Amino acid sequence: DTAVSQTPKYLVTQMGNDKSIKCEQNLGHDTMYWYKQDSKKFLKIMFSYNNKELIINETVPNRFSPKSPDKAHLNLHINSLELGDSAVYFCASSQDRGNIQYFGAGTRLSVL
Amino acid sequence: DAKTTQPPSMDCAEGRAANLPCNHSTISGNEYVYWYRQIHSQGPQYIIHGLKNNETNEMASLIITEDRKSSTLILPHATLRDTAVYYCIVREPTGNQFYFGTGTSLTVIP
Repeated sequence: DTAVSQTPKYLVTQMGNDKSIKCEQNLGHDTMYWYKQDSKKFLKIMFSYNNKELIINETVPNRFSPKSPDKAHLNLHINSLELGDSAVYFCASSQDRGNIQYFGAGTRLSVL
Repeated sequence: DAKTTQPPSMDCAEGRAANLPCNHSTISGNEYVYWYRQIHSQGPQYIIHGLKNNETNEMASLIITEDRKSSTLILPHATLRDTAVYYCIVREPTGNQFYFGTGTSLTVIP
């Protein structure tokens, strides 16, 4: 079983659309994260949730809204998609804040 | 911002040891050194971490200098599957963020 799974793996959409990416972890971890990796391969954290509460919100446009229905899930909803949102988005989880983070396989988002 | 400096690329012959350096001259006393790798746009994979003692696991060894201003990740017998970008990260034990720098792109050559 995949520890951290993301769906979909690929997402192609038009500018202005709204889309969601789902993340689930079966590791029993308390903390989950969203990262963005741009075309230059820089990997930057966007959000972090601990026990369903937001604890990190980096400088991210408010078109991005994370939702955590329970500890095992952290979904990312993006409104009014723009060309610059094209990137690979990674979900990760860890047991408590300071521990090793385990990453999903990524969702490659292409905005046309 | 990333607090580490790594060479942008390195080559290693298959079967030889790969030694990947990292400078972290501004590391604080309670910050750990973590190593991750990313194989061809897959999700980053944890390798090893340490505070001040050298560490070894089934994947690699981590050598941290006595002043903790630099470290070396050692892959003892590199294989083609070790070709990846390797990231050295420093982090507080209670910190949430991993600041990934630009990493070192390691190419293992047959």
